[in-house]
Amino acid sequence: SAVISQKPSRDICQRGTSLTIQCQVDSQVTMMFWYRQQPGQSLTLIATANQGSEATYESGFVIDKFPISRPNLTFSTLTVSNMSPEDSSIYLCSVAGQPYGYTFGSGTRLTVV
Amino acid sequence: AQSVSQHNHHVILSEAASLELGCNYSYGGTVNLFWYVQYPGQHLQLLLKYFSGDPLVKGIKGFEAEFIKSKFSFNLRKPSVQWSDTAEYFCAVRMDSNYQLIWGAGTKLIIKP
Repeated sequence: SAVISQKPSRDICQRGTSLTIQCQVDSQVTMMFWYRQQPGQSLTLIATANQGSEATYESGFVIDKFPISRPNLTFSTLTVSNMSPEDSSIYLCSVAGQPYGYTFGSGTRLTVV
Repeated sequence: AQSVSQHNHHVILSEAASLELGCNYSYGGTVNLFWYVQYPGQHLQLLLKYFSGDPLVKGIKGFEAEFIKSKFSFNLRKPSVQWSDTAEYFCAVRMDSNYQLIWGAGTKLIIKP
């Protein structure tokens, strides 16, 4: 299965600033997913990112707040913009492999102060 | 709406006890089913998955799960748990041709030594 390198692993940010999270995959994958996992809760899908097209956002998430780039089949970034303490969470990227397996990055633990 | 339910949010067991974690989903079509585990401070790892064929699936670390289509269930079992099984367990379902996973809320399992 694919191996994902996710950076940074953690960060503490001031409110009002932005943080960009990177995911690098060791193989070409069509679909990448970005999740948020708030403390004590399950995973919530933010968006699905396909190379060469705009990301598809889930209800409650908007591109202005969580812009995503997918410049090629092995890389994607998620930016958390204009952060507030409510954005404190773990952010995860995931890829869909074959056959229908899903691999996850190690996560980015974000604290907004 | 499609959903995945994990009935037990917290489970505490003693070592050597048997484990069964419930997972039910609400969808009448074709499903792929997954159990993931998240050990403290670590990222999500796949325990086992079901796509088709034998409804009794064996995964890593002695875990198994049984898909019962008539009950829309995919319960996770282990005959004898160890202290190292302390973790959070997530059930996830892929429905039809949709690549997105629908996640359960997770079950925190604590094994007392």
